[in-house]
Amino acid sequence: EVQLVESGGGLVQPGGSLRLSCVASGFGFDAYAMHWVRQVPGKGPEWVSGIDFRSYNIGYADSVRGRFTVSRDNAERSLFLQMNSLRPDDTAVYYCAKSATYFDSFDLWGQGTVVSVSS
Amino acid sequence: EVVLTQSPATLSLSPGATATLSCRTSEIISTSYLAWYQQRPGLAPRLLIYDSFTRATGVPDRFSASGSASGSGTDFSLTITRLQPEDSAVYYCQAYGTSPRRFGPGTRVEIK
Repeated sequence: EVQLVESGGGLVQPGGSLRLSCVASGFGFDAYAMHWVRQVPGKGPEWVSGIDFRSYNIGYADSVRGRFTVSRDNAERSLFLQMNSLRPDDTAVYYCAKSATYFDSFDLWGQGTVVSVSS
Repeated sequence: EVVLTQSPATLSLSPGATATLSCRTSEIISTSYLAWYQQRPGLAPRLLIYDSFTRATGVPDRFSASGSASGSGTDFSLTITRLQPEDSAVYYCQAYGTSPRRFGPGTRVEIK
């Protein structure tokens, strides 16, 4: 089955860290760009970060640059998001998503993992 | 950075009716870089349309989209004909092709 499965979300205090993971199955993971997108309930999605298939092109939203780091392990068919210095406004559902190339639309999404930043 | 606005915020229509959703960008973008997504309650977004006009795999032909015939513009629309109960969802437009990829605030379609 073609799918993306995220994990690693949870409740963390402001200033804390979390590492999200996304495992792909059913398609050639190492041929596609991958992204993290977050969404606050009731709001539109927000692109967080993207990485191309060889990790040559990497980008971040201004709101997370310097605090979040995206990476991938093609051998393990996995995408990661290291989130440091978390703030309450980072609270959201975090999705991983696949795109044909780094700048394409997102044609496959995971089910999401919830990140809550609160004291 | 491009900003996307969507209208109306909510559409309430009867089964079998036609819904027309609008997406406007704050600056001219290529029609190659506009997508539409459907998000049903409790689920992740699902790609419906990419490159302004092209339906994603498995999307029924009741869904169609339009944009500028010139290849670039600021006004885009999504049309859903013969509305069915499973079309109840929030629909988002997205500008891509550059960073950051931007999403609109969404239009909620209710089937009453």
